[in-house]
Formats: sequence, C-alpha cells, structure tokens
Amino acid sequence: QSVLTQPASVSGSPGQSITISCTGTSSDVGAYNFVAWYQQHPGKAPKLIIYDVSNRPSGVSNRFSGSKSGTTASLTISGLQAEDAADYYCSSYTTTYTRVFGGGTKLTVL
Amino acid sequence: EVQLVESGGGLVQPGGSLRLSCAASGFTFRNYWMSWVRQAPGKGLEWVANIQQGGSEKYYVDSVRGRFTISRDNAKNSLFLQMHSLRAEDTAIYYCARLDGDFDYWGQGTLVTVSS
Repeated sequence: QSVLTQPASVSGSPGQSITISCTGTSSDVGAYNFVAWYQQHPGKAPKLIIYDVSNRPSGVSNRFSGSKSGTTASLTISGLQAEDAADYYCSSYTTTYTRVFGGGTKLTVL
Repeated sequence: EVQLVESGGGLVQPGGSLRLSCAASGFTFRNYWMSWVRQAPGKGLEWVANIQQGGSEKYYVDSVRGRFTISRDNAKNSLFLQMHSLRAEDTAIYYCARLDGDFDYWGQGTLVTVSS
C-alpha cells in the first residue's frame, strides 16, 4: 500500500495561484475518479475540500479546484489568501478496496 | 450537525492493547461506511481501516492487519478500534471519519502513545 507522491512544500503570494500535484499508479489514482483533497490547519482535524477529483463540498470556496490526468491528480488554489496556509493531502480509492493518502504538502503564503 | 467524538486514547506499553471508541451523532450512522485514519506526530495521514454499514466487510492497511480490529454497534451509533500488540510506530492521533465516497466528516482525534 504505497503512499501517493506530493511535493513536500509549495508557496505563493497573496492573490497568486498555486497547484499541488498528487502522483499515484494505475491501481489507485489512475483506476478511478475517487480522488479527494483535504486541508489541515495545525492542531485541527482534516477537512474535505475536493471529492471525486473535481467536486467541491457545500461551503468550500470556488477558489479550490481539482483535476486529474492519468495517474496524476492536481489541486489548484487561485487567489491565494493567508488562511489558505495549511497542509494539503490527497487520497484515492484503490483496486484492493483500500484507501491511500499522499505524504502531504505544506502551503506557505508569503 | 454531524459530530464524531473519539475516546480511549492514552499511554500504553509496547505489546499492550487499547480500545478506541467513536460516538457518532447528527446522521443515520447505520447508513454509512466508517473509517479510522491516524497521524503520527509531525507526519502525514495514514488510512487504517474501513467498515461497511452492516459490519460484514472490513479492510485494513497492511501494517495493522492481524493486530487491529474495526467494529461497530449501530444500535449505539458507535465505532470501535481494538488494538493489540501495539508498537512504537503505532503512536499517533487516531481520527474517526465518516466515509461517504470520501472522508467527509472527521472527529477531533484521540492520541495513542506507545512507549515504555
């Protein structure tokens, strides 16, 4: 059960856009459109911000968007705001009925 | 309002056992898959186990299979994780999460520390 590959850190200035990648295999990200993204602020529980590759739960800002190509999913945050500074994790359903997370990406808003 | 409240964490010696509980409210518990996800101090998220609505289907990450057992009591809206043969690497915050396609609601977590 491998971990999905994410960059350890990304940064951007307020108002800019950033993209976080999440690379898996044909047994997880590439197999289904069941990729999700979670935001986690320090000391808090994770929060679902994207599900099924590109859908936003009610109440999540439309500045967050998701996409997928092959075995790589991506999260884009546009119009960066200070409160977007957090850790971001991708996850995927797998062909063995399990779940796998990415290693996490720390977003710094400069 | 959906609420998930974990309990049962604490300090345990290597080789010991612990049982975690998660009390659910604000939704029809018996209609949803449920999960445990953990996070070691300063590390990323790791999926631990899932259980189907009726409890008949269960899935585990390789590192805990045979040592941990996920279960549920739909009459009491409760989820459990029985942990045996605990190791230092099991030290983490353990989150209970509702699984509706993805982990859409999370509890605040309970800390398990395995140390002598």
